[in-house]
Amino acid sequence: EVQLVDTGGGVVKPGASLRLSCAASGFTFNTAWMSWVRQAPGKGLEWVARIKSNNDGGTADYAPPVRGRFTISRDDSENMLFLQMNSLKTEDTGVYYCSTDVGNSVDFDHWGPGTLVTVSS
Amino acid sequence: DIVMIQAPLSLPVTPGEPASISCRSSQSLLQNKKYYFLDWYLQKPGKSPQLLIYLGSRRATGVPDRFSGSGSGTDFTLRISRVEAEDVGVYYCMQALQIPRTFGQGTKLEIK
Repeated sequence: EVQLVDTGGGVVKPGASLRLSCAASGFTFNTAWMSWVRQAPGKGLEWVARIKSNNDGGTADYAPPVRGRFTISRDDSENMLFLQMNSLKTEDTGVYYCSTDVGNSVDFDHWGPGTLVTVSS
Repeated sequence: DIVMIQAPLSLPVTPGEPASISCRSSQSLLQNKKYYFLDWYLQKPGKSPQLLIYLGSRRATGVPDRFSGSGSGTDFTLRISRVEAEDVGVYYCMQALQIPRTFGQGTKLEIK
């Protein structure tokens, strides 16, 4: 059974850093492209970042609001996905979901339960 | 970035009746003159999103056949032939043509 468990959320002040983690199991993680998607309280879905498999170059892409502040990475030896978030802003508040790559045009879609990040002074 | 606009934003439906949601993109989602890079997701209350439709019209595994996707160019539609109580939630379209991926605002389906 495919499982994604995202953790690491919490309450931080503006300007602080936070690192989210996502533990993957039940599929061949090292060949999967992975994403982070977030949802502000009471709002819609917002794509945050994507990382390709190392076999496909391992490159990362970011949404404009987080580019330069967030870094997506992976550890294939541990089947882990990460999101390092620096210089956090109040508008980064929301639930962050780890997922298999959204929009990958294949029938393979799995999401974590989400982890809540609150940025508040 | 590609802008995605959904309508309506709220959709009350009587069980057993059909429902449809429209999604319009700011540019064509056609690639290779063959595939439309448009996905539909459903987020049930308190749950993570789940993929319903990909490539415009392909149902994801386990999705009931009462759900169908259609459209071309910049205009797409998600149809539910007969709404059931378990279909409540927020429906999102998302363009998969370009990075960054962008979602519509969401359409909240509720049972009358």
